[in-house]
Amino acid sequence: QVQLVESGGALVKSGGSLRLSCAASGFTFRDYYMSWIRQIPGKGLEWVSYISGNRNTINYADSVKGRFTISRDNVRNSLYLQMNSLRAEDTAVYYCARMTTSTDFDYWGQGTLVTVSS
Amino acid sequence: QSALTQPASVSGSPGQSITISCTGTSSDVGAYHFVSWYQHHPGKAPKLIIYEVTNRPSGISSRFSGSRSANTASLTISGVQAEDEADYYCSSYTTSSTVVFGGGTRLTVL
Repeated sequence: QVQLVESGGALVKSGGSLRLSCAASGFTFRDYYMSWIRQIPGKGLEWVSYISGNRNTINYADSVKGRFTISRDNVRNSLYLQMNSLRAEDTAVYYCARMTTSTDFDYWGQGTLVTVSS
Repeated sequence: QSALTQPASVSGSPGQSITISCTGTSSDVGAYHFVSWYQHHPGKAPKLIIYEVTNRPSGISSRFSGSRSANTASLTISGVQAEDEADYYCSSYTTSSTVVFGGGTRLTVL
């Protein structure tokens, strides 16, 4: 069955960096777009970024453009999010999700918490 | 990239039907057939319940249905049950090739 397991969440100071990972299993990873989505505590979901299976297509939300970088390793079946210049407003649970051709997210991980202290 | 507009909360008694609206623009909800809905129980992973405006993934109850009129999509839950109490989010692909979510709606089953 499809499994997505995030890791790397931590407490970090404002201006710092962090790298999140998502280990995927149960499907042909290279065939799918993958995405990061976050939920700020007490607030709603916010799409962060997506990357195509062949890495040729990448897009970011305006709120993270220039600070976050999405990448993937199709040999290790892993998705990554490099987060630089972190701000307090980046504090959130970060979810890894599989993206379908209909641009919906059909499988999600359990999330990893990133806390940015000011 | 403004969030789609959803009511903050809705409520209903068991057996009643409820509808949650999701209002966007001609650049997102009204642009493509790519509107989806998610059910989120706090502490769990969100679950896809409607995709491409009206379609249900395998295993999702037929009590959940989706529709759209112009720039507003809607999720209807027929015969609300206690287990349906959760947060519900709509999302849409946009003409900027990004994805936007709604602010979320908390469903309370009375």
